[in-house]
Amino acid sequence: GNSVTQMEGPVTLSEEAFLTINCTYTATGYPSLFWYVQYPGEGLQLLLKATKADDKGSNKGFEATYRKETTSFHLEKGSVQVSDSAVYFCALDSNSGYALNFGKGTSLLVTP
Amino acid sequence: NAGVTQTPKFQVLKTGQSMTLQCAQDMNHEYMSWYRQDPGMGLRLIHYSVGAGITDQGEVPNGYNVSRSTTEDFPLRLLSAAPSQTSVYFCASSVSSATSETQYFGPGTRLLVL
Repeated sequence: GNSVTQMEGPVTLSEEAFLTINCTYTATGYPSLFWYVQYPGEGLQLLLKATKADDKGSNKGFEATYRKETTSFHLEKGSVQVSDSAVYFCALDSNSGYALNFGKGTSLLVTP
Repeated sequence: NAGVTQTPKFQVLKTGQSMTLQCAQDMNHEYMSWYRQDPGMGLRLIHYSVGAGITDQGEVPNGYNVSRSTTEDFPLRLLSAAPSQTSVYFCASSVSSATSETQYFGPGTRLLVL
């Protein structure tokens, strides 16, 4: 079946540091891949997505590239801010539209 | 648009009590889903619906019932609450499409079962 594995946190970085959160997946066919972000006390918001191999999703300075050869979708940001402190979830959808498979989430804390 | 709304925000139940978690969306989305979020587990799919009158089970459906009488509403019922159902519950909706579309999430309901 489908599954998503992402690096465990918590991750603590200083402001302006480089961020990488690793995400790998197992799926049949050609799933779509997503990164969602959850700020404290809130629901999940879509951060970025990619629907086919070699696509790059980007938003708010975050990027992730759909790598089919390594079954990965790593999240990166060149310079994190305190306001980026949140929990980040990698997820995939095998084109159902209603059933996301989530990773366990990675908590990020950015300190001034 | 209000997007996806959920009520209540927080609820405490005793074991054996029943309750309904409400979810509504005003985006005319065909697809709606319920997830539960537990520490260290990510989100897991409980039930989903692909349109009014059509529901099906997800990964962890036991102890929960759903119905979808209108496009807008998708309530989740706990018939006899158990401590194992202590969790944060999220409702989500998306458009129907031949490809994967973004799911929009509500703010969540935090449930504590004593």
